[in-house]
Amino acid sequence: GQQVMQIPQYQHVQEGEDFTTYCNSSTTLSNIQWYKQRPGGHPVFLIQLVKSGEVKKQKRLTFQFGEAKKNSSLHITATQTTDVGTYFCAGPLYSGYALNFGKGTSLLVTP
Amino acid sequence: SQTIHQWPATLVQPVGSPLSLECTVEGTSNPNLYWYRQAAGRGLQLLFYSVGIGQISSEVPQNLSASRPQDRQFILSSKKLLLSDSGFYLCAWSPTMGAEAFFGQGTRLTVV
Repeated sequence: GQQVMQIPQYQHVQEGEDFTTYCNSSTTLSNIQWYKQRPGGHPVFLIQLVKSGEVKKQKRLTFQFGEAKKNSSLHITATQTTDVGTYFCAGPLYSGYALNFGKGTSLLVTP
Repeated sequence: SQTIHQWPATLVQPVGSPLSLECTVEGTSNPNLYWYRQAAGRGLQLLFYSVGIGQISSEVPQNLSASRPQDRQFILSSKKLLLSDSGFYLCAWSPTMGAEAFFGQGTRLTVV
């Protein structure tokens, strides 16, 4: 069945360094979503990408959706300690279905 | 605005005991409702989803069950808990299937 894979599983950076997490699906996705879960918290929706090749920015965060709509990335420029948490990508298994989450990338930022 | 409530926040239960976790949504009607489980340091596993009252779809065969007795109420149950049922249980809602999901605060369940 369709799976959403995410790499890396963990990333430890110094504050100010950049960070990127990658998401790959075995099949074409109708949309890809990104969530952030702070330690001890619940996932919080960040953004949704729908169009092939779409790029969206939220301050220091840049989200991309691949041309084939099978991969996506989240890039954080100049990380801050407030960026600590686990970042999940998610996509519906098929159109009109519940979200299938990747295993997430846990980001640790040290000052 | 829409809000989602999930309780309790933490729960410690002995093996073999029953379980009932409740989730309610306010400020919207006919939401799609979900139960996810997150094992320590792992991703989110979809357990159940519901598109309407009394309609439950199960993703993973196990000793858990779900019910939706009212439009904005979703309940996760078990008759006899196993050690492997420990984890972080998250309820979520979305306006349509596959759309952005809004999560409750979660319940940390420890089965001892």
